[in-house]
Amino acid sequence: GDSVTQMEGPVTLSEEAFLTINCTYTATGYPSLFWYVQYPGEGLQLLLKATKADDKGSNKGFEATYRKETTSFHLEKGSVQVSDSAVYFCALETDSWGKLQFGAGTQVVVTP
Amino acid sequence: EAQVTQNPRYLITVTGKKLTVTCSQNMNHEYMSWYRQDPGLGLRQIYYSMNVEVTDKGDVPEGYKVSRKEKRNFPLILESPSPNQTSLYFCASSLVFLGEAFFGQGTRLTVV
Repeated sequence: GDSVTQMEGPVTLSEEAFLTINCTYTATGYPSLFWYVQYPGEGLQLLLKATKADDKGSNKGFEATYRKETTSFHLEKGSVQVSDSAVYFCALETDSWGKLQFGAGTQVVVTP
Repeated sequence: EAQVTQNPRYLITVTGKKLTVTCSQNMNHEYMSWYRQDPGLGLRQIYYSMNVEVTDKGDVPEGYKVSRKEKRNFPLILESPSPNQTSLYFCASSLVFLGEAFFGQGTRLTVV
């Protein structure tokens, strides 16, 4: 079945460092891909998305490109802030109309 | 303000005592779903609903029930909770085809 694999965390970075979180997927067809972010004590929020190959999603300085050839959707940010400390989830929308398949999540901790 | 509201936020209960977690959305979304979040497993879908009176099982439905009598509400029912249902639960809604799911703030359930 469809699945999403994320790099394990926690990832600890200093402020202004470069962040990459790897995400690869297995799916039939051409799923839409998402990154969701969960700040402490809150629900998940959509960070960015891409709906077809080579699309680049971007928001709040984060970017991810839909790479069909490597089945990947890696999240990047050039200069992280303490406020970026959160858990990041990669997800894909399966053929089951609206169902999201999530990765395990990657905790990111940014220190001053 | 567009939102998904879950109640309660925190709940401690005993094995076998029926409970209901409520979920309500004010965005007129057709699609609603329940997820549970467990460490290392990400979010897994419990049940989903494509519209009023239309519900179906997700990946981990055992021990749960749902109903969708009104478009805005989608309660999660645990008829006889057990300790392995201790988890963090999220309700989500979306306008299908747009791909963005809106999540509630979560319900932390502990079954002793």
